[in-house]
Amino acid sequence: EVQLVESGGGLVKPGGSLRLSCVASGFTFTNAWMSWVRQAPGKGLEWVGRIKSKSDGGATDYAAPVKGRFTIARDDSANTLYLQMNSLKIEDRALYYCTSRNHWGQGTLVTVSS
Amino acid sequence: QTVVTQEPSLTVSPGGTVTLTCASSTGAVTSDYYADWFQQKPGQAPRALIFSTSNKYSWTPARFSGSLLGGKAALTLSGVQPEDEADYYCLLYYGGVPGGSQGVFGGGTKLTVL
Repeated sequence: EVQLVESGGGLVKPGGSLRLSCVASGFTFTNAWMSWVRQAPGKGLEWVGRIKSKSDGGATDYAAPVKGRFTIARDDSANTLYLQMNSLKIEDRALYYCTSRNHWGQGTLVTVSS
Repeated sequence: QTVVTQEPSLTVSPGGTVTLTCASSTGAVTSDYYADWFQQKPGQAPRALIFSTSNKYSWTPARFSGSLLGGKAALTLSGVQPEDEADYYCLLYYGGVPGGSQGVFGGGTKLTVL
């Protein structure tokens, strides 16, 4: 059974940092292109960014609102995807999902508030 | 800034047929946009239905189909069931490859079965 389990969400002040993790199981994580998607309360889905598999070069791409502030990384030895979020803004408040395109985690909530 | 547009809401009768569309502000959607479709019910994570325009997953009900229609990506539900009531999101990839340089979600369509 495929599982994606996110963690690391919480309350942080504007300008602060947070690192999200996503542990994958049930599929070959090493071969997967992985993405982060977020959803603000009551709003639609927003693509945050994606990391290719190392065998495909491992490149990352980001949505304009987070480029330069967020970094996606992966540890294939631990089947884990990361999202390092710096310089957080009020508008970054959302439920953050990890996805392999065909499977999604349940999300971890990030709240940015003073 | 690229905008992906979906119908905000649609209503369909049980047993009926409905088509949801997904348009790009950059012009006609082609197979090079590798359109994905997701279903999201209240309080749940999104579930992948269609990938790369028209391909189904093993769990995708047969009544769901994806296509290109009039320069847009389209999701057609034939023989709608009450459990199909949900929000539906399309995701287009800009960059010419699946999971290409940028992913952009549409704003979502709230489908009511009435």
